[in-house]
Amino acid sequence: DTEVTQTPKHLVMGMTNKKSLKCEQHMGHRAMYWYKQKAKKPPELMFVYSYEKLSINESVPSRFSPECPNSSLLNLHLHALQPEDSALYLCASSQEGPHSSYNSPLHFGNGTRLTVT
Amino acid sequence: GENVEQHPSTLSVQEGDSAVIKCTYSDSASNYFPWYKQELGKRPQLIIDIRSNVGEKKDQRIAVTLNKTAKHFSLHITETQPEDSAVYFCAASSRGSQGNLIFGKGTKLSVKP
Repeated sequence: DTEVTQTPKHLVMGMTNKKSLKCEQHMGHRAMYWYKQKAKKPPELMFVYSYEKLSINESVPSRFSPECPNSSLLNLHLHALQPEDSALYLCASSQEGPHSSYNSPLHFGNGTRLTVT
Repeated sequence: GENVEQHPSTLSVQEGDSAVIKCTYSDSASNYFPWYKQELGKRPQLIIDIRSNVGEKKDQRIAVTLNKTAKHFSLHITETQPEDSAVYFCAASSRGSQGNLIFGKGTKLSVKP
């Protein structure tokens, strides 16, 4: 069982579609993250929210738009994606945020497997 | 910025043997070193981590060692089992920059029964 839940598990979308990925955690963690993972590669950081505020944006294209409605929820809105955006999108959370003096472990969700056609 | 090198990229061992994966890092300010295991089609899972104030940490068949002077850390798995087969990622980050966790490129471990 994972403590970070992501929906949907799989998503196929066309380049003109608008869709959203959802992530939820109930561990009281203060930071939430979006990562992108291509096959046979390590996860790449996209965004970090700390205390519901966007604290890191790793120069991600504007066709990816994150949203943090509250401390337990994290969304990733997708619009006008390209086929090269097909990947596994992982949500993660940690007890402390990225600017804490203490590094706390990342807990990953099972991911959404996204295919852009 | 931080750079993490991981070796080998693939590792094949017989069941019961030991496996060792090595990582080096470049930023002397890095002080947190987690290891993640990712089985095919699944999420990365933290299996062990070490902080720069200790040199070794063990958890059953898994151990991690850290050499701050040489800037390298290693994962040791003893008595390997087929279920240990997965991709293992090392990572490094410095205090106050958990969002800048830098991953190695991964090691695909295969344990043959």
